[in-house]
Amino acid sequence: ETGVTQTPRHLVMGMTNKKSLKCEQHLGHNAMYWYKQSAKKPLELMFVYNFKEQTENNSVPSRFSPECPNSSHLFLHLHTLQPEDSALYLCASSQTASGRGGANVLTFGAGSRLTVL
Amino acid sequence: AQSVSQHNHHVILSEAASLELGCNYSYGGTVNLFWYVQYPGQHLQLLLKYFSGDPLVKGIKGFEAEFIKSKFSFNLRKPSVQWSDTAEYFCAVTLNTGGFKTIFGAGTRLFVKA
Repeated sequence: ETGVTQTPRHLVMGMTNKKSLKCEQHLGHNAMYWYKQSAKKPLELMFVYNFKEQTENNSVPSRFSPECPNSSHLFLHLHTLQPEDSALYLCASSQTASGRGGANVLTFGAGSRLTVL
Repeated sequence: AQSVSQHNHHVILSEAASLELGCNYSYGGTVNLFWYVQYPGQHLQLLLKYFSGDPLVKGIKGFEAEFIKSKFSFNLRKPSVQWSDTAEYFCAVTLNTGGFKTIFGAGTRLFVKA
């Protein structure tokens, strides 16, 4: 356990379903991230939240909708997904999103394995 | 576009062999550099990091990396690998493009034969 907990660990959904991924961190961090990990591709940064404010949306399709109600929780709402969205979705946190002073060392969760049928 | 390149996707070594994994990035500004590791069945975790100062940094388990600014490189090294080093290794770079974002290479799978 790293202090970053993701649920569910596995999710299978149809293209018309609506589901959500949840991430919670117990580290007192102020920045949270969603990354997508697909086979044979680099981790893709999706969203960054710093002190609850979204600071990065890496051209992610609108069928992925993030929500950060507080610095400890991050959600990824999913709807009308495509089979190519099947991947491991990783949540991470850091002290802040700033690269100054090394405050952005990432602590990752175990990931949510998503399969879209 | 900014990117991180890892030269080897798969590496197979025997125990006690020396390891060097290449990492290059394309960005002209100030960067923070990282190597993360994912052991089988475990989370991604930090192996070592560079922010400033001595360009040769040491991490856990005998790993080290050298930042060569002129070559935009941050290669990972270990003089003598062990079977327990079998894992996937990811190079990552934090860029300041108005906001800070950390981008990753595709990863290198290392298998160490006992």
